[in-house]
Amino acid sequence: DVKVTQSSRYLVKRTGEKVFLECVQDMDHENMFWYRQDPGLGLRLIYFSYDVKMKEKGDIPEGYSVSREKKERFSLILESASTNQTSMYLCASSWGQRYNSPLHFGNGTRLTVT
Amino acid sequence: KQEVTQIPAALSVPEGENLVLNCSFTDSAIYNLQWFRQDPGKGLTSLLLIQSSQREQTSGRLNASLDKSSGRSTLYIAASQPGDSATYLCAVRGGATNKLIFGTGTLLAVQP
Repeated sequence: DVKVTQSSRYLVKRTGEKVFLECVQDMDHENMFWYRQDPGLGLRLIYFSYDVKMKEKGDIPEGYSVSREKKERFSLILESASTNQTSMYLCASSWGQRYNSPLHFGNGTRLTVT
Repeated sequence: KQEVTQIPAALSVPEGENLVLNCSFTDSAIYNLQWFRQDPGKGLTSLLLIQSSQREQTSGRLNASLDKSSGRSTLYIAASQPGDSATYLCAVRGGATNKLIFGTGTLLAVQP
């Protein structure tokens, strides 16, 4: 079974802090994604990566950056956390060239910025 | 721009009932459609993936159908159980961006 692991289930940070959210997958997937989920807005794509050191902006990249130094790890960085970044963050992965492969999600990180 | 809609937003049924969840999308040029389940406070669990060339997929008590031309998919759950209570989301991949676009989900409650 595919395992996508997010390092923290709950995180509380202060406004202005730099925040790192880590995600690791164990299936050698090329594609990795970061979403945020908010009530009434659904899941929105922040950033994704098709390969090591590659990254592409999703629909709401402002205020975020990402890092993919190793194939199995995809990090989401909040450069200066703000209260409107309080949300559930979900990492996902899938096979690369196979556009028809399913997406596998981690359990999410509930981030609160105070 | 692809838009995905799920109606109803919430559904409550008695245990044992067969039920259908609906998903509609505006752009029929899709690669696939995926159904997910999400338990409260958790991530998404993939249930079924239907390729654009397929009409349906089955897994246990679940059956998902796809009608690309009308922009609709349904998830059929047979003999519902309280453990089926969760939010069900559909997502389509394809169109101009090839991204996965999610619906806002249907919250299902199965009453014992």
